[in-house]
Amino acid sequence: GAVVSQHPSRVICKSGTSVKIECRSLDFQATTMFWYRQFPKQSLMLMATSNEGSKATYEQGVEKDKFLINHASLTLSTLTVTSAHPEDSSFYICSAPSSGSREQYFGPGTRLTVT
Amino acid sequence: AQSVTQLGSHVSVSEGALVLLRCNYSSSVPPYLFWYVQYPNQGLQLLLKYTTGATLVKGINGFEAEFKKSETSFHLTKPSAHMSDAAEYFCAVSGETSGSRLTFGEGTQLTVNP
Repeated sequence: GAVVSQHPSRVICKSGTSVKIECRSLDFQATTMFWYRQFPKQSLMLMATSNEGSKATYEQGVEKDKFLINHASLTLSTLTVTSAHPEDSSFYICSAPSSGSREQYFGPGTRLTVT
Repeated sequence: AQSVTQLGSHVSVSEGALVLLRCNYSSSVPPYLFWYVQYPNQGLQLLLKYTTGATLVKGINGFEAEFKKSETSFHLTKPSAHMSDAAEYFCAVSGETSGSRLTFGEGTQLTVNP
């Protein structure tokens, strides 16, 4: 089956620094990828839709200048958390849709801790 | 618009007892439906899915779910709970078109008591 990877799996950074998270589709191409955020004991919240070759579409309430998304190729989308603060600490998950289908493949997630 | 409601944020069962996790959905098109399991500090693992065809779908770890269009439900069941089933479970519905997002329910935390 199709595989989506994320890197890193865990990252700890200091407040004020920026962190980049990569999402890769390993054996298929994805013109669209989705970025979710999950707080402890909560469900996944869609942050943005990443579109290859064009600007990302952000959900209401998500700061586009803080969460920079770049979808530079058909297999790679990156999420950069800029000027991170402790409240940005969360579990970030990406997904990519199966070609021609309404199914999604999920990455394993990235645990971000901002100190 | 798509939506998912999971009844019961916490479900507790005894080991060996029936597991029933409830999911109701709303969809403007024939839905694709999914159940995911998430263990602490891990990502989502697909348990099972309904796309088209047989309404009773079997998944991994002995779980199954039945799509009932008339009730707009997709409840997850397992005949006999195991301690290792303790986890968070999410029901999700597909978007209206291919390539669109999934919409998740709020999740159900399953506790299995010895």
